[in-house]
Amino acid sequence: SQQGEEDPQALSIQEGENATMNCSYKTSINNLQWYRQNSGRGLVHLILIRSNEREKHSGRLRVTLDTSKKSSSLLITASRAADTASYFCATAALGGSNYKLTFGKGTLLTVNP
Amino acid sequence: DTAVSQTPKYLVTQMGNDKSIKCEQNLGHDTMYWYKQDSKKFLKIMFSYNNKELIINETVPNRFSPKSPDKAHLNLHINSLELGDSAVYFCASSAGIPNTEAFFGQGTRLTVV
Repeated sequence: SQQGEEDPQALSIQEGENATMNCSYKTSINNLQWYRQNSGRGLVHLILIRSNEREKHSGRLRVTLDTSKKSSSLLITASRAADTASYFCATAALGGSNYKLTFGKGTLLTVNP
Repeated sequence: DTAVSQTPKYLVTQMGNDKSIKCEQNLGHDTMYWYKQDSKKFLKIMFSYNNKELIINETVPNRFSPKSPDKAHLNLHINSLELGDSAVYFCASSAGIPNTEAFFGQGTRLTVV
């Protein structure tokens, strides 16, 4: 069953603005991760937040996690045209010997110069 | 050096054919995955292997048969290709333990005509 659901599906902003993407999920998790995918390329890991963490920063990225609401947000500050890509959240859960990453449908971010 | 490499990058074939996609990782990871990304960018896990052993099979038709000759390789063989198999297939690897990221290959765009 699908875990993460991102919103919005698409987001268009101007360079310099902040971009916020949200992710909701349904079951218990070990951690939540955000990935970026440029058109025609593979996914690249951006940031991981553990289930016992509430906020994490990495450069211009800020991720929050609210396990009571089963939701996360990714904030990209001072966006650049090069940030244009699809962004996916992925929930990680460990059950027995299975460590499984389940992805949401992604948010397509367009940053206009 | 590419951490996760998959070949070929593009594959165009006729319905009914059998084809294989190869994947290799040089990260020393124990766990490898195959994901399918459809035309709407939805990423769905297909298989996961841990140390050459199948641990996740997400109700994939048995026309799809993964093979892991060693923990650095996970190949995907597809029999009797159908139009609906057209998608981008991604190989990924991870350390397979909680709170670690996955590394993705560049994808194989399969087009069945």
